[in-house]
Amino acid sequence: GENVEQHPSTLSVQEGDSAVIKCTYSDSASNYFPWYKQELGKRPQLIIDIRSNVGEKKDQRIAVTLNKTAKHFSLHITETQPEDSAVYFCAATSSNTGNQFYFGTGTSLTVIP
Amino acid sequence: GAVVSQHPSWVICKSGTSVKIECRSLDFQATTMFWYRQFPKQSLMLMATSNEGSKATYEQGVEKDKFLINHASLTLSTLTVTSAHPEDSSFYICSGTPLYQETQYFGPGTRLLVL
Repeated sequence: GENVEQHPSTLSVQEGDSAVIKCTYSDSASNYFPWYKQELGKRPQLIIDIRSNVGEKKDQRIAVTLNKTAKHFSLHITETQPEDSAVYFCAATSSNTGNQFYFGTGTSLTVIP
Repeated sequence: GAVVSQHPSWVICKSGTSVKIECRSLDFQATTMFWYRQFPKQSLMLMATSNEGSKATYEQGVEKDKFLINHASLTLSTLTVTSAHPEDSSFYICSGTPLYQETQYFGPGTRLLVL
């Protein structure tokens, strides 16, 4: 089955700096890669996603890149703000697995004012 | 975005009682709903996949007789924790996938504490 690894587990950055979180996956059939942000005690919220036919996607300060050959994808947050502090999860899925999400272990991001 | 509600948000119960958690998709139809369990500072652990009108598919190690899942309509799935024990205390989250989409939209979660 699919195996998703996520690094780093914790990340601290100064406000205004960029943050990068990386994930790798094992199943070449995976074709959809969402990223979720979860604040303490709250639901995971979709912040950006990418499909395997696209190499990069951007939404304001957030971008995701995908390298299908190397089977890794990354989340980039620029001009970080304190409200970006949260746990971020990557996931991978494919229709072969009934759209079941395989989640990474999460990255706790702290933005220091 | 699509909205999923979950009820109740908090449950405190005595050991041996059963607890029912409801998951509703408010503005979309969800042929598939997923139930997760999350321990503090850990990732989401899939418990089962629920398809409308059919039996749920449970992940390995999840007791189907203990965690009863019913997906009676395209907007409602329920998880019943039967004969709850302290080790069942956790944060339970559901999600739904709109028709013809891959994205999962999550409910706000239910925090269960079994005394």
